Amino acid sequence: GQQVQQSPASLVLQEGENAELQCNFSSTATRLQWFYQHPGGRLVSLFYNPSGTKHTGRLTSTTVTNERRSSLHISSSQTTDSGTYFCAIRSSNTNKVVFGTGTRLQVLP
Amino acid sequence: EAAVTQSPRNKVTVTGGNVTLSCRQTNSHNYMYWYRQDTGHGLRLIHYSYGAGNLQIGDVPDGYKATRTTQEDFFLLLELASPSQTSLYFCASSVRLGGEDTQYFGPGTRLLVL
Repeated sequence: GQQVQQSPASLVLQEGENAELQCNFSSTATRLQWFYQHPGGRLVSLFYNPSGTKHTGRLTSTTVTNERRSSLHISSSQTTDSGTYFCAIRSSNTNKVVFGTGTRLQVLP
Repeated sequence: EAAVTQSPRNKVTVTGGNVTLSCRQTNSHNYMYWYRQDTGHGLRLIHYSYGAGNLQIGDVPDGYKATRTTQEDFFLLLELASPSQTSLYFCASSVRLGGEDTQYFGPGTRLLVL
């Protein structure tokens, strides 16, 4: 079954609103990461966050490992935040990297 | 920022054709990866390598071979391409220092198998 589930699948915001993206994983996971994919396709790493809370700019990632969940909070969203956000885990059972299917975010001006 | 390049950026081939996708990273990263991205599946790991001459099998290896010829270069080979291999392919590299595993991605290669 699906090891990594993300919600919501898509999200539309007005510029300035906050966003909360969720990632739940079904297996014992290590090395949880968040990635951002530009509308044009380019992928970049946002956070490596296996546990706890990390901040960068307007982004905050919180991972609660024993509850098998992570969230990505975007404050004061901007149109340039539009794109798709993926979380990925490395399963400690298989040592394979597994990505979720992503949350597509659209921020309107 | 680590540099990862891929070639070609776009490729069209026919069923049964032979295709090689190339990836180069210039930051001496140990690990390199090949992923495919399809609608509804996110990214799926095909093969990865932790050094020249090494190859590890990923989650969706069927129909793909890979070869890591140098620290910098990682190739993905489709020897008998099928329409199911039409996809967007990403290469990535990582340092694997101290347990952190930030991956740096190439721009992607769009492959169409007719």
